Amino acid sequence: DIVLTQSPVTLSSSPGERVTLSCRASQSVSSYLAWYQQKSGQAPRLLIYDASNRATGIPARFSGGGSGTDFTLTISSLEPEDFAVYYCQQRIYWPDTFGQGTKLEIK
Amino acid sequence: QVQLVQSGSELERPGASVTISCKASGYTFTNYGMNWVRQAPGQGLEWMGWINTNTGIPRYAQDFTGRFVFSSDISVSTAYLQISGLKAEDTAVYFCARRSTAAWGDFWGQGTLVTVSS
Repeated sequence: DIVLTQSPVTLSSSPGERVTLSCRASQSVSSYLAWYQQKSGQAPRLLIYDASNRATGIPARFSGGGSGTDFTLTISSLEPEDFAVYYCQQRIYWPDTFGQGTKLEIK
Repeated sequence: QVQLVQSGSELERPGASVTISCKASGYTFTNYGMNWVRQAPGQGLEWMGWINTNTGIPRYAQDFTGRFVFSSDISVSTAYLQISGLKAEDTAVYFCARRSTAAWGDFWGQGTLVTVSS
């Protein structure tokens, strides 16, 4: 199975700051990568699909980049509601796999 | 608007079976597949597989073959996950997620907690 490694595991930041989360794949997944946000006690929410496309209703402060094995999710200016756990997912190889998650916490 | 509403929490004994439902509304059920994802307590997301709601054909990730069954009933726009021979390690929240045209989970159910305990 494709292994997705997310870094950092935990990121402490403040509202208004710019942050970048990383997802590295064990082999190339082309652009078949998505990012999800999960708040405590809630279902995940699709943020970015196909590496760089924002899902419907997702604010422009969220952007995705990368291809092949290295991907990033950038939040340009953190809002209080952005503190959550973020997961990447690949779907080019069966089975789909998720990264282990990055927890974005308030400093 | 698109909604996926899952059935409520379940408490089951080891060895029992459980069926979780995921009722879809706000879109044509057979136009999108349904993914299933597991999340053990305090852990990350684990992709279980998906069902083509148009054909009824399921596909399972390796770790979810045998005791896990995906099904769907188009007459009530509902997908189901049945787990048999429950084990303590099946304790988790199970999510359904609509499989978008690009095959991502674009809308999610609220999750169903299954607790397996004697």
